[in-house]
Order: sequence, then structure tokens, then C-alpha cells
Amino acid sequence: ELKVEQNPLFLSMQEGKNYTIYCDYSTTSDRLYWYRQDPGKSLESLFVLLSNGAVKQEGRLMASLDTKARLSTLHITAAVHDLSATYFCAVFTGTASKLTFGTGTRLQVTL
Amino acid sequence: GAVVSQHPSRVICKSGTSVKIECRSLDFQATTMFWYRQFPKQSLMLMATSNEGSKATYEQGVEKDKFLINHASLTLSTLTVTSAHPEDSSFYICSALGVSEQYFGPGTRLTVT
Repeated sequence: ELKVEQNPLFLSMQEGKNYTIYCDYSTTSDRLYWYRQDPGKSLESLFVLLSNGAVKQEGRLMASLDTKARLSTLHITAAVHDLSATYFCAVFTGTASKLTFGTGTRLQVTL
Repeated sequence: GAVVSQHPSRVICKSGTSVKIECRSLDFQATTMFWYRQFPKQSLMLMATSNEGSKATYEQGVEKDKFLINHASLTLSTLTVTSAHPEDSSFYICSALGVSEQYFGPGTRLTVT
């Protein structure tokens, strides 16, 4: 059974600080997604990482994928309050086109 | 990007009744759709994979007789929660499979009283 774990589960950080969220998964996959979820809302797609070594950046967020280590990271640079949300990684299983979601990281950026 | 809608966005029903949730892909055809359930402060759990024109594939532990899925067209999948109970109260999210990713609907919050 595929397991996807995120670390940390909860993160409180001050505006202007940097931090990294980690996503570990237990089986081979070459495609990984990051999503943002605001309270009471559905998912917003942030990044699609399609190969080993892939790096994508959008604004203050940067995601990377290491398929050999089965690890993805989401790095936050100079956090702002608007980034407060829950972030999920999801690993793609090609045989059934399924996604297995990580445990989620609730990010709170304080002023 | 591709748009997926869900209806209703919020529903309250009495215990023992059935509720139908619709998931539509508005600007693309989706032979495969997925249904997820999310309890408060938890992650999304895949309930079933809905395939147009064939039976849905349910994840382990999901009762197929309780959660009826119908994917009658390339743009519509429905989830019917039969004989709902308070423990079925949750946030239900569908997604439609596009070329390289799943596109998520806005979710349906079900409350069973």
C-alpha cells in the first residue's frame, strides 16, 4: 500500500521567514502534485512535477522532486500571510491514474 | 484550465434518506472521474474511480451498495449516498481526469442530521 507522509503536519511561521515542507512516499512514481486548500474550499493546483529533478517555481513557492529518494519538497520563501492554508502533496499511480494524498501540512503565517 | 462543477455545494438531509451529488466536467470530456471524501482536518481519501459506461471501482473499505456511482456520460458522474447516517457527514470532492492531471470540483458539504 502506497503511503505518502508530509512533514511537518502543522507549521506556524512568521512573515518574511523561509521554510520547507517535505513529502515522502513509499513506492515508485515519476509524477507528483502539490495542492493548496483553503478552509471550506476544494483544491487548487499549484505544481505538477513530472520527472526526477524537476523544479518549479511560482511566486514565493518552489517545488522539487527527487524520484530516487522518493521525496518532494515545497519551499516557501519570505512567507506572507496570504500563504496561510493547508498544502497537500499527491503521488500519481500510473496503472489506475489514481492519486494518493499526503497527510497535509497546515501552514499558518503570522504577522 | 479545465473546469469541473459539483452540485449541490451544500446539502443537509435527515438520517435514512438518500442524497445525490453531481460532478460535471464543463469544457472537456472525462472518461474517468474520481470521488473523494474528506473529514475535518484530514486528508482526502479516494472512495472510488468512476468509469464512463462501466462499473465503478471502489477502494477497500468503501461500501459500494451505500455509495452508488453512475457515470452515464463523458461529462457527468453522480454519487448517491443511500440511507445516509450522521457518520456520512463529510466533504465530498470529485475530480475529472484530463490529459495529464485530475481537475477538482469545488466540493459538496453533506450534513446528515
